Amino acid sequence: DQQVKQNSPSLSVQEGRISILNCDYTNSMFDYFLWYKKYPAEGPTFLISISSIKDKNEDGRFTVFLNKSAKHLSLHIVPSQPGDSAVYFCAASGSAGGTSYGKLTFGQGTILTVHP
Amino acid sequence: DSGVTQTPKHLITATGQRVTLRCSPRSGDLSVYWYQQSLDQGLQFLIQYYNGEERAKGNILERFSAQQFPDLHSELNLSSLELGDSALYFCASSRQGFSSSYEQYFGPGTRLTVT
Repeated sequence: DQQVKQNSPSLSVQEGRISILNCDYTNSMFDYFLWYKKYPAEGPTFLISISSIKDKNEDGRFTVFLNKSAKHLSLHIVPSQPGDSAVYFCAASGSAGGTSYGKLTFGQGTILTVHP
Repeated sequence: DSGVTQTPKHLITATGQRVTLRCSPRSGDLSVYWYQQSLDQGLQFLIQYYNGEERAKGNILERFSAQQFPDLHSELNLSSLELGDSALYFCASSRQGFSSSYEQYFGPGTRLTVT
């Protein structure tokens, strides 16, 4: 039961352009969403998050958009840089009392490659 | 550097054996989480401890157990190891245990290889 899905295994983008990474979820009890970046042989690094009461959150070059009715979120990276090349995971968690509380449910990841 | 430390970095052992993975959370974090990343399953939540008590459980096998000590470090014990237990094991920590809105910070992981 894949509650968080990243349907694109990989994405290739030119330096300076926008990278858009997508994520869909099925569990309506999720109320907090996060994006992590992972380099090989390292742990996931927290990037940006968004609460379900918002539809947008920005942090520098990174913006996360949440569409609750579509159960869809996306991460925009503008402008993309070669150092952004990594695996990007979206993750979701739920509020207290639900089965998704206290844990992150991860998507399968999208490999982003930014070409110079 | 997330501030979460894990030891050892690599572990190679044989089937049937038992191993202990160790995690020290970021300073001030009360919650510790364990995740398993295998090739075919992605990152899967195993278990959470908050201030020494088990708080949430995922798809953790009965052969696996964990605990959090008074100094807040945590250990994940894996016993009767099978080939399929080969994976990366990550520990994460967060500030609070009662809210879903606190980000989790991950350690570098322990790569377990069972031969």
